[in-house]
Amino acid sequence: ETGVTQTPRHLVMGMTNKKSLKCEQHLGHNAMYWYKQSAKKPLELMFVYSLEERVENNSVPSRFSPECPNSSHLFLHLHTLQPEDSALYLCASSPEGRTGSPLHFGNGTRLTVT
Amino acid sequence: SQQGEEDPQALSIQEGENATMNCSYKTSINNLQWYRQNSGRGLVHLILIRSNEREKHSGRLRVTLDTSKKSSSLLITASRAADTASYFCATDARWGTSYGKLTFGQGTILTVHP
Repeated sequence: ETGVTQTPRHLVMGMTNKKSLKCEQHLGHNAMYWYKQSAKKPLELMFVYSLEERVENNSVPSRFSPECPNSSHLFLHLHTLQPEDSALYLCASSPEGRTGSPLHFGNGTRLTVT
Repeated sequence: SQQGEEDPQALSIQEGENATMNCSYKTSINNLQWYRQNSGRGLVHLILIRSNEREKHSGRLRVTLDTSKKSSSLLITASRAADTASYFCATDARWGTSYGKLTFGQGTILTVHP
């Protein structure tokens, strides 16, 4: 176990569906992140939350909507996605959000948009 | 934009041999980190080297950093089949709007044959 748990591990959804990805960390960290990993591309930082406040939004389309109800939980709400959104979505946490401290990753959700 | 770029993209060696991977980046950094990713899993932090350090060891791992050349190398000695994975460098920007944010390269795929 990595200390960061993501569910579901796999998700197939149509372009008109609405679904949510869930991330939970038991490390006592104050910052949580969503990354997107696509084939042949570097990891893309999507969102950063520090102490439940969003501190980074990297020009992500509005069809991705993050939610951080507390420092242990992070969600990514998905609606009207496109096939190019198919990727591995990784959640990560760190003790704090701006000092470049090492990230602890979950095992990801493999998303396929049909 | 600042981005780690790993070289080579793929490396295939025999068990027992050493594996060397390189990373180049473009802007001033606070630290550089190396991560490993097994197929279908999340990234695992391996080692962090600060901008004022030149070399660091952790078990069979040796990392060097040359800030004048904006490059780093990761050496895995006496490789094992279990070392087969993708390896990523990540840089932590020192200035500007990217301060404290980790930026990942595209990774080196290492295959160690038994």
